[in-house]
Amino acid sequence: EVQLVESGGGLVQPGRSLRLSCAASGFTFEDYAMHWVRQAPGKGLEWVSGINWNSGSTGYADSVKGRFTISRDNAKNSLYLQMNSLRPEDTAFYYCAKDMSSLSGYFIDWGQGTLVTVSS
Amino acid sequence: EIVMTQSPATLSVSPGERATLSCRASQSVSSNLAWYQQKPGQAPRLLIYGASTRATGIPARFSGSGSGTEFTLTISSLQSEDFVVYYCQQYYNWPGYTFGQGTKLEIK
Repeated sequence: EVQLVESGGGLVQPGRSLRLSCAASGFTFEDYAMHWVRQAPGKGLEWVSGINWNSGSTGYADSVKGRFTISRDNAKNSLYLQMNSLRPEDTAFYYCAKDMSSLSGYFIDWGQGTLVTVSS
Repeated sequence: EIVMTQSPATLSVSPGERATLSCRASQSVSSNLAWYQQKPGQAPRLLIYGASTRATGIPARFSGSGSGTEFTLTISSLQSEDFVVYYCQQYYNWPGYTFGQGTKLEIK
């Protein structure tokens, strides 16, 4: 069974940093692209960032480009999102999502999310 | 950025009837379109990819159609658990995947 477990969320002040982690199990992690998708409370979904299997290709939404960095450690079956210069509009549930394959672009499995709240 | 527009925002349908949800892209996305279902307090679940292919384990009452800029998700014979929120997503443009704003399906 595929499991994706996010961690690292919490309350942070504007301008500060936070690092999210996603622990993957139940599948061969290195065979799949991975993504972060966020959802502000009561709002819709927003793709944030994606990374291919060997970290050779990464992508970001314009709203986070230059502030967020996605990375992965295939040896640890883990995905990360380093979030710098956080803004109140970054407040959201952040979901780790597994691609169908290598950057096919749609998300076949999701974690339960971790809440990031940016507020002073 | 490719803008995805879903209509209507809220759709009222009676159980057992058919629901038709629409999704429009601001430019052609070919068949690179997925649909997700999200229940309250849960992560989204993939229903359809490639505009019309059901994901594993998705009941046959869910079907997708369309290509280019116009897409439809049809749910035939609505069950009580189907009255939740649905999102479309284009994955034509990497790195710039975008979602629609969602359609809430409510009981009439």
